[in-house]
Amino acid sequence: DSGVTQTPKHLITATGQRVTLRCSPRSGDLSVYWYQQSLDQGLQFLIQYYNGEERAKGNILERFSAQQFPDLHSELNLSSLELGDSALYFCASSVGVSGGYTFGSGTRLTVV
Amino acid sequence: GESVGLHLPTLSVQEGDNSIINCAYSNSASDYFIWYKQESGKGPQFIIDIRSNMDKRQGQRVTVLLNKTVKHLSLQIAATQPGDSAVYFCAENVMRNSGGYQKVTFGTGTKLQVIP
Repeated sequence: DSGVTQTPKHLITATGQRVTLRCSPRSGDLSVYWYQQSLDQGLQFLIQYYNGEERAKGNILERFSAQQFPDLHSELNLSSLELGDSALYFCASSVGVSGGYTFGSGTRLTVV
Repeated sequence: GESVGLHLPTLSVQEGDNSIINCAYSNSASDYFIWYKQESGKGPQFIIDIRSNMDKRQGQRVTVLLNKTVKHLSLQIAATQPGDSAVYFCAENVMRNSGGYQKVTFGTGTKLQVIP
């Protein structure tokens, strides 16, 4: 157990739907990062939050949004889902805004 | 378990031999590098890191070498074991001074297969 908790572990939903993925960072970590991992594109950085504020944005689609709450947990919202959104979504956390990450075990999203 | 990637370069190594996994990074401004191990069905796990002011760092059975001249990073695993079978990613990290956010870029990964 890495200390980073992601729920749910698996999610199957239909195209056009909206889902929310949840991440609780490791105790004491203030930064949360979201990554998408698909078979043909590797690990793609989506977005980073630090202590509730957005810090960096990567290849995140406009249909996707995220936030970090006062208790530091984070949610990634994916809407108007398409088949191509099927992937593993990882959350990672770190103490500050730099340094090595600790990853969660991921959420497997399947869009049918 | 789940397959991380179907088209990854694969390195097959006999158990007990040493493994060398290579990575070319793209940004000469990168100042921090990390190696991650991802086993099937799990998230990436931190192995070892190195800062750009170093050219070598050793951990337990692992060594990372950094050659900034040719923008090359390598991970050496000594006495490879079946439990080392996984996908290995290098990550390059560019720190920004203002506000201190980091931009981390992951490589595509190398699959290490250990032959018993």
